[in-house]
Amino acid sequence: AQSVTQLDSQVPVFEEAPVELRCNYSSSVSVYLFWYVQYPNQGLQLLLKYLSGSTLVKGINGFEAEFNKSQTSFHLRKPSVHISDTAEYFCAVTGDAGGTSYGKLTFGQGTILTVHP
Amino acid sequence: KAGVTQTPRYLIKTRGQQVTLSCSPISGHRSVSWYQQTPGQGLQFLFEYFSETQRNKGNFPGRFSGRQFSNSRSEMSVSTLELGDSALYLCASSSGQGASGELFFGEGSRLTVL
Repeated sequence: AQSVTQLDSQVPVFEEAPVELRCNYSSSVSVYLFWYVQYPNQGLQLLLKYLSGSTLVKGINGFEAEFNKSQTSFHLRKPSVHISDTAEYFCAVTGDAGGTSYGKLTFGQGTILTVHP
Repeated sequence: KAGVTQTPRYLIKTRGQQVTLSCSPISGHRSVSWYQQTPGQGLQFLFEYFSETQRNKGNFPGRFSGRQFSNSRSEMSVSTLELGDSALYLCASSSGQGASGELFFGEGSRLTVL
């Protein structure tokens, strides 16, 4: 079984400040990790993903994340946020578990990032 | 390239009724997954279809069902609606080749049960 814990339900930050959204996971198989963003009344958009290789992953809109296997973490970072980054962010995990993996992402509960002017 | 299209975007039903939601995947994608999003339970996996066959399913009661057509379009239905079925239902498509494939989500169908 897999699970994801997003350690902060809400993160307020001022514009142009750095931000880190924390995500820890547990899995009994090799993992693939994702961060998605959801704007109000919209679906989910992929920010970045870790499949293998370099543990530092760069995504869209200036976001990056680092996969840390020993700490089972995949924290999302941005060095300077904008008002337009205000949204809910979801960390998700899947893995090579055969048929039980098809189409299935296990999501965290989400972190609402609010960027203040 | 058109994205994932879900219809209807909003609907209101009453308890005991049935509802059917539709999803058109990205052209060329053969896998469609469905998720339920609620404030209390978050995002939960319902089921996944690939080439008209259900390959995976989550832990939902039998009132929740789905199907996929030969053109990869998918529908999900909920029978005997309960108040707790009020949610945003999201559809996602992918190539379906392995667990590492990116899921592309639609904007969802927001169901309100009165």
